Amino acid sequence: GAVVSQHPSWVICKSGTSVKIECRSLDFQATTMFWYRQFPKQSLMLMATSNEGSKATYEQGVEKDKFLINHASLTLSTLTVTSAHPEDSSFYICSAEDRGNSPLHFGNGTRLTVT
Amino acid sequence: GENVEQHPSTLSVQEGDSAVIKCTYSDSASNYFPWYKQELGKGPQLIIDIRSNVGEKKDQRIAVTLNKTAKHFSLHITETQPEDSAVYFCAASIDTGGFKTIFGAGTRLFVKA
Repeated sequence: GAVVSQHPSWVICKSGTSVKIECRSLDFQATTMFWYRQFPKQSLMLMATSNEGSKATYEQGVEKDKFLINHASLTLSTLTVTSAHPEDSSFYICSAEDRGNSPLHFGNGTRLTVT
Repeated sequence: GENVEQHPSTLSVQEGDSAVIKCTYSDSASNYFPWYKQELGKGPQLIIDIRSNVGEKKDQRIAVTLNKTAKHFSLHITETQPEDSAVYFCAASIDTGGFKTIFGAGTRLFVKA
């Protein structure tokens, strides 16, 4: 149980375009979903926390207008990287929890390459 | 805010040996400590966790210990196998008006056959 599906697994886009990444909890309702960015050989950097039906809470230094998060239902959150640039190239990972202070269930990540 | 430090950054062991990864945290209010294993190109997966009311927990070859007084917790893997090779992250969970998980920097474990 507790499967999180993240799509796409990889995407290549041209500079200036927008990319949407989906994160779905398949067999549980996620009260909260989290979005991370991970650079090679580094830890997970929390970008934002999203709760269903409310605005996402962004970490300091993360541009909310560039990284748009929508949490439309208890099973789906999306991250849209707007006007992507090469420096946005990274590995983006989502996670979900069904209750606070409990294990996080991670998607398999999306490798974004902006050319 | 909470800060989690993890050591070592890289660990190489011979198959069959034990591996130990250590973490410290700064905020005594943290009360949940999960460990995640991340294989190349994948998201992290929970391997074991411990709550602050417990000092030790074991699951087959994996064990975690917690010293609340010293704010230390450690992961122990016995009888290591090549498939244990991965990056391991410790984490601490704290209630900031919503629970937030703070990750350590990660340990890259190599198990040599």
